[in-house]
Amino acid sequence: SQTIHQWPATLVQPVGSPLSLECTVEGTSNPNLYWYRQAAGRGLQLLFYSVGIGQISSEVPQNLSASRPQDRQFILSSKKLLLSDSGFYLCAWSVLIAGTGNEQFFGPGTRLTVL
Amino acid sequence: KNQVEQSPQSLIILEGKNCTLQCNYTVSPFSNLRWYKQDTGRGPVSLTIMTFSENTKSNGRYTATLDADTKQSSLHITASQLSDSASYICVVRPGGFKTIFGAGTRLFVKA
Repeated sequence: SQTIHQWPATLVQPVGSPLSLECTVEGTSNPNLYWYRQAAGRGLQLLFYSVGIGQISSEVPQNLSASRPQDRQFILSSKKLLLSDSGFYLCAWSVLIAGTGNEQFFGPGTRLTVL
Repeated sequence: KNQVEQSPQSLIILEGKNCTLQCNYTVSPFSNLRWYKQDTGRGPVSLTIMTFSENTKSNGRYTATLDADTKQSSLHITASQLSDSASYICVVRPGGFKTIFGAGTRLFVKA
């Protein structure tokens, strides 16, 4: 069966510090991978998605970047965190299901607080 | 503009009661609509998924309906349990990699 891992689960960082969040998927090959951010009381906002190694698409201009060094590894980074980067970060993977389209499966999330 | 609006924003019900959550969308084109349950501090988990031709889909005590003509969906929870306390998110996919998320309805089930 497929599983998705994210770490760390929680993170408190000072403004201006770097960031690295990691996501790995097990039990599937060549998944589509996604990074979302969820602000309190808001819907999920797609930050990045990837259809393959080294292929990253950005949905919104921001202080963050993403990389996919391996097929099942997706990393979210920042060189200098801003207060507005605080939020709940979710990684997801998807697979194409006949008749219903891409079904997304979410990781447990990382709670980031920038002080 | 592609949008998904959910109502109510939050809801409190007594254990054992039924409730219905609403989702209106203006997403076009339309590929499918999903309802997710998100426990506090956890990732969303899919409850149901419906395509354009489906009107209703059940998953245990959860029943989702879809009216593609009026662009409305609802999620009905029967005989609520304390464990149903969570955020319920309506998600519409127009196609490709785009996914439009609603802000969610926060449900509190009280004993």
